[in-house]
Amino acid sequence: DTEVTQTPKHLVMGMTNKKSLKCEQHMGHRAMYWYKQKAKKPPELMFVYSYEKLSINESVPSRFSPECPNSSLLNLHLHALQPEDSALYLCASSQRGLFGETQYFGPGTRLLVL
Amino acid sequence: GNSVTQMEGPVTLSEEAFLTINCTYTATGYPSLFWYVQYPGEGLQLLLKATKADDKGSNKGFEATYRKETTSFHLEKGSVQVSDSAVYFCALSNYGGSQGNLIFGKGTKLSVKP
Repeated sequence: DTEVTQTPKHLVMGMTNKKSLKCEQHMGHRAMYWYKQKAKKPPELMFVYSYEKLSINESVPSRFSPECPNSSLLNLHLHALQPEDSALYLCASSQRGLFGETQYFGPGTRLLVL
Repeated sequence: GNSVTQMEGPVTLSEEAFLTINCTYTATGYPSLFWYVQYPGEGLQLLLKATKADDKGSNKGFEATYRKETTSFHLEKGSVQVSDSAVYFCALSNYGGSQGNLIFGKGTKLSVKP
């Protein structure tokens, strides 16, 4: 099973709302990733968790707050977003977060900020 | 630094035509190379990978060979189908880069007409 699941599939929120994106994998992977993908662009890395610890934050604004409650679950908490944050948010996981590993992606959450 | 260059799209082919999508990379050492595919409205799926020079990755009729001498990893398929219509991303992962980070090309959109 190489499945990464993400919920919700679609999300519409206002600029004053607080919402969360959820990602789950049951492959025993110890590295999990959040990416942001704008239309017609490649994914851009936002955060990396390795063994439940935040190891990379690619200078993401604080209105995005990641959380890794356990090795299978990754959340992205959203607060006071801007319309330009509208995008497809992809979660991925890999075995240990080492170079050369395959990253397995979820289907994404399509976010619209009004 | 590490970078990936893909041929610009979109590419439009008739069913059963031969496909080549060019990908070249810049990296020190021996990166791992990947092709990911993104079908409309979905996340990324690993199509194939190669981890050392002269390796050939293959899957679903697609092939790519890791050519160190030309720093290339071109994607080919002998006979495309309408169901192959998607965006294709070439990517690399290299030792010394951000932990587990994938460097993506800009993506090539393929449309296959019946």
